[in-house]
Amino acid sequence: GAVVSQHPSWVICKSGTSVKIECRSLDFQATTMFWYRQFPKQSLMLMATSNEGSKATYEQGVEKDKFLINHASLTLSTLTVTSAHPEDSSFYICSASGDRAFSGNTIYFGEGSWLTVV
Amino acid sequence: AQTVTQSQPEMSVQEAETVTLSCTYDTSESNYYLFWYKQPPSRQMILVIRQEAYKQQNATENRFSVNFQKAAKSFSLKISDSQLGDTAMYFCAFMNPQGAQKLVFGQGTRLTINP
Repeated sequence: GAVVSQHPSWVICKSGTSVKIECRSLDFQATTMFWYRQFPKQSLMLMATSNEGSKATYEQGVEKDKFLINHASLTLSTLTVTSAHPEDSSFYICSASGDRAFSGNTIYFGEGSWLTVV
Repeated sequence: AQTVTQSQPEMSVQEAETVTLSCTYDTSESNYYLFWYKQPPSRQMILVIRQEAYKQQNATENRFSVNFQKAAKSFSLKISDSQLGDTAMYFCAFMNPQGAQKLVFGQGTRLTINP
């Protein structure tokens, strides 16, 4: 089956620094990628949708200057948390969808990344 | 906008029992997809089952089946012969295939299978 890989799985950074999380589709071309944030014991909150080669579409209330999303190729999207603060600590998950003829509207999830800002 | 509601924050059953998780949704679309995802302690999202709204037949995957009531906008998940490995968070999700393929998730139900 299709595989989506996230890296790193765990990251600790100092307050005020920036951190980048990568999301890769390993065996298919991801035309669209999604970034979610999940707080403890809560559901997944969609942050943004990115399409290859175009600007990401952010959900209401998500700071686009804070959470920079780049989808430069059909297999890679990155989320950069800029000037991170402790309240940005969370679990971030990406997902990807490929050509509809390939995936049939199936969404593939990465393993997720734990971010801790100290 | 679509909304998905899971009214059972937590459920607990004994191993081998059958359990049903509830999900309701609200949409004005006629064609859409519904999903149940499992999130074990590893946090990996695992697709359990999917239902296409235009199909009247309820989807089934081994021990997992759904009761899809389109008019009532209800999409419950039944787990038969529950196993310890079924312990996880379960999320119901909605997708409009005509749009950006965004998944709208419910609040989740924490299911515990007791030995």
